[in-house]
Amino acid sequence: SAVISQKPSRDICQRGTSLTIQCQVDSQVTMMFWYRQQPGQSLTLIATANQGSEATYESGFVIDKFPISRPNLTFSTLTVSNMSPEDSSIYLCSVGNSNYGYTFGSGTRLTVV
Amino acid sequence: AQSVTQPDIHITVSEGASLELRCNYSYGATPYLFWYVQSPGQGLQLLLKYFSGDTLVQGIKGFEAEFKRSQSSFNLRKPSVHWSDAAEYFCAVALYGNKLVFGAGTILRVKS
Repeated sequence: SAVISQKPSRDICQRGTSLTIQCQVDSQVTMMFWYRQQPGQSLTLIATANQGSEATYESGFVIDKFPISRPNLTFSTLTVSNMSPEDSSIYLCSVGNSNYGYTFGSGTRLTVV
Repeated sequence: AQSVTQPDIHITVSEGASLELRCNYSYGATPYLFWYVQSPGQGLQLLLKYFSGDTLVQGIKGFEAEFKRSQSSFNLRKPSVHWSDAAEYFCAVALYGNKLVFGAGTILRVKS
């Protein structure tokens, strides 16, 4: 299965600023997924990112708040924009499909102060 | 509405005892089913998955799960729990279109 390198692993940010999270995969993949895990909660899908097209966002998530880039088949970034304390979460990227299963990055633990 | 339910938020078992974590799904068709484990401060690790065929699937770390279509369930089991199994366990389902939907998770505590 694919190996994902995600960074940063954690960060503490001031409110109103933005943070960009990077995910690098060791093989070419069609679809990459971004999830949010709020404190004590389960994982919620933010968006699906396909190379060469706009990301598809889930209900409750918008591009202005969570812009995503997918410049090639091994890399993607998620930006958390204009952060507030409510954005404090773990953000995870994932690759895979329903036939083979899904691999997750180690996550970015974001604290907004 | 489509959903994944893990009815137990916390479960505590004694080391060496058996374990069963429950998962029910509500979908029109049989989805692809997964169990993941998340240890404190760690990422998600896939324990096992079910797509089709034998309804009893074996996974890593001695875990198994049984798919029961009539009950829309995919419960995770382990015959003898080790202290290192203490973690949070997530059931997840994927439909065609590859979106993975997670249950709320079950926190497993192991007492010695």
